[in-house]
Amino acid sequence: DARVTQTPRHKVTEMGQEVTMRCQPILGHNTVFWYRQTMMQGLELLAYFRNRAPLDDSGMPKDRFSAEMPDATLATLKIQPSEPRDSAVYFCASEGLAYEQYFGPGTRLTVT
Amino acid sequence: AQSVTQPDIHITVSEGASLELRCNYSYGATPYLFWYVQSPGQGLQLLLKYFSGDTLVQGIKGFEAEFKRSQSSFNLRKPSVHWSDAAEYFCAVDRDDKIIFGKGTRLHILP
Repeated sequence: DARVTQTPRHKVTEMGQEVTMRCQPILGHNTVFWYRQTMMQGLELLAYFRNRAPLDDSGMPKDRFSAEMPDATLATLKIQPSEPRDSAVYFCASEGLAYEQYFGPGTRLTVT
Repeated sequence: AQSVTQPDIHITVSEGASLELRCNYSYGATPYLFWYVQSPGQGLQLLLKYFSGDTLVQGIKGFEAEFKRSQSSFNLRKPSVHWSDAAEYFCAVDRDDKIIFGKGTRLHILP
């Protein structure tokens, strides 16, 4: 049963610290998305990649967020420095052949 | 411009009752439409999708949705809900190679 995996599942950190979240997409899926979900804003698209190349990162605060795909099996989302307003659940999703997205379980980030 | 509208933030139904969750989209071309479900503490799971053809699509967990071009709607239905259906439901449309999600409808089930 192929699944998207994300690590860590939970992260608590202090303001100003660097946070790195990792995602392993389903093998063979070449489009990967990063989302952020909060009660106030709902589900927001931060960035997405196709064949490891960034296609759109307009939803991401450029000064502190960065997203990369070092290889086809790993996507990373980094926040440096983190701020309390970054507290949210961050989801990674990979896209199947029929445009359906498969979501990981999320990383719940709390910045104090 | 809002691409997907889910007019109901919360819906409460009794277990065993029928369910309809509303979704309207605004996108000129024939859209690719989706419904996802999110249980507490989990990621989103695809329930069903519509690309073309038969306007009534069947999904997992006994859900179905009907595409109505004249009404720009893609409402989700289930004839008889179970307590395990309590979750948040998201309608989504594929636009410009990205999925745009609605704000979600939280479904509550009364015993």
